[in-house]
Amino acid sequence: GQNIDQPTEMTATEGAIVQINCTYQTSGFNGLFWYQQHAGEAPTFLSYNVLDGLEEKGRFSSFLSRSKGYSYLLLKELQMKDSAYYLCAVIDSNYQLIWGAGTKLIIKP
Amino acid sequence: GAVVSQHPSRVICKSGTSVKIECRSLDFQATTMFWYRQFPKQSLMLMATSNEGSKATYEQGVEKDKFLINHASLTLSTLTVTSAHPEDSSFYICSARDRAGGDTGELFFGEGSRLTVL
Repeated sequence: GQNIDQPTEMTATEGAIVQINCTYQTSGFNGLFWYQQHAGEAPTFLSYNVLDGLEEKGRFSSFLSRSKGYSYLLLKELQMKDSAYYLCAVIDSNYQLIWGAGTKLIIKP
Repeated sequence: GAVVSQHPSRVICKSGTSVKIECRSLDFQATTMFWYRQFPKQSLMLMATSNEGSKATYEQGVEKDKFLINHASLTLSTLTVTSAHPEDSSFYICSARDRAGGDTGELFFGEGSRLTVL
């Protein structure tokens, strides 16, 4: 079956760095998304990786290793507003989106 | 970035009534739209994939007659919750894929609709 694993919850300190991992086993691969979602709101797009390597976008970076079925989202200079759910999603060979359960990130002062 | 408008954002209805939620792509054409349901503190649950001009593809366990989906144009998809019951109370979110981006294009999400059935 298809499966995406992310940690359920993580805690980090304001100003620090945190890495949220995502591992996947899917039937084929056509890209991986990271979305941020605040409680009661719709998800917002953070990144899309389809090739191996690191994509940097301001305080957020996303890494992909297709051979390992692994991605991570790196958040630097954490701010209180970064407290949210972070969702990993993979597009499989049928172009279906498979969603992870999401990681709740808690930022403490 | 592209905008997806979802309406209404909040709706309260009586048990047994039907509620329609609209999802519009405002500045792009969306051949595919997705409807999700989300319970508190849980991730998105895909309900159905809606393709313009054809019948929606429902996920296992989702009742087609309960959740009617219509994707009549490249910019509009609607979800109708028929004969709503309190257990249908949830946060419903739509997303749309820009036609120009192909099958791997970024998904743009609507603001979500919170349905409360009394």
